[in-house]
Amino acid sequence: EPEVTQTPSHQVTQMGQEVILRCVPISNHLYFYWYRQILGQKVEFLVSFYNNEISEKSEIFDDQFSVERPDGSNFTLKIRSTKLEDSAMYFCASVRTATYEQYFGPGTRLTVT
Amino acid sequence: LAKTTQPISMDSYEGQEVNITCSHNNIATNDYITWYQQFPSQGPRFIIQGYKTKVTNEVASLFIPADRKSSTLSLPRVSLSDTAVYYCLVGSEERGTYKYIFGTGTRLKVLA
Repeated sequence: EPEVTQTPSHQVTQMGQEVILRCVPISNHLYFYWYRQILGQKVEFLVSFYNNEISEKSEIFDDQFSVERPDGSNFTLKIRSTKLEDSAMYFCASVRTATYEQYFGPGTRLTVT
Repeated sequence: LAKTTQPISMDSYEGQEVNITCSHNNIATNDYITWYQQFPSQGPRFIIQGYKTKVTNEVASLFIPADRKSSTLSLPRVSLSDTAVYYCLVGSEERGTYKYIFGTGTRLKVLA
């Protein structure tokens, strides 16, 4: 069964550093999402991406965040200057068409020290 | 976007049927109701989705009354491995994508 993959599984970085989180969505999927989950809290929507552009973003997704689909397979989330409060699990999800059934990756645990 | 309200936690015993109810009073006409399951340190996993009445698949049933202001996820004969957080979401399509707002979820603990 095809699945969404994410790398790295765990990233430790110092405050102020840039990080890039990588996702490989399921091939032939067209819609991509990033979510984050602070430890012990709910899953929060960050951004959705379709046809090489952002289609929706939350108030969390400020100028420090950006997303890219640099090639036909990868989907990345960049945080330009990390803050302590960016420490969280970051999940990527993809879906073939605009439907409700999103396939989530295993997540990247980001720790900012 | 419709806000959802669920019980924070529930306990059950192995072999029992578990029903988790979610209220979504402000659901819009085009909204679908979807349930996800999440284990610790894993991404959410789709369980079931419905628009109205009853939907059943191999793992769960979803009951939606006519007014659609609530829904009930039914897990038949739970096992220890069903211990997880269950999220009720109301999805709306905006500009060609579904934007979901996750609530706090229901933490289900299945006891032996």
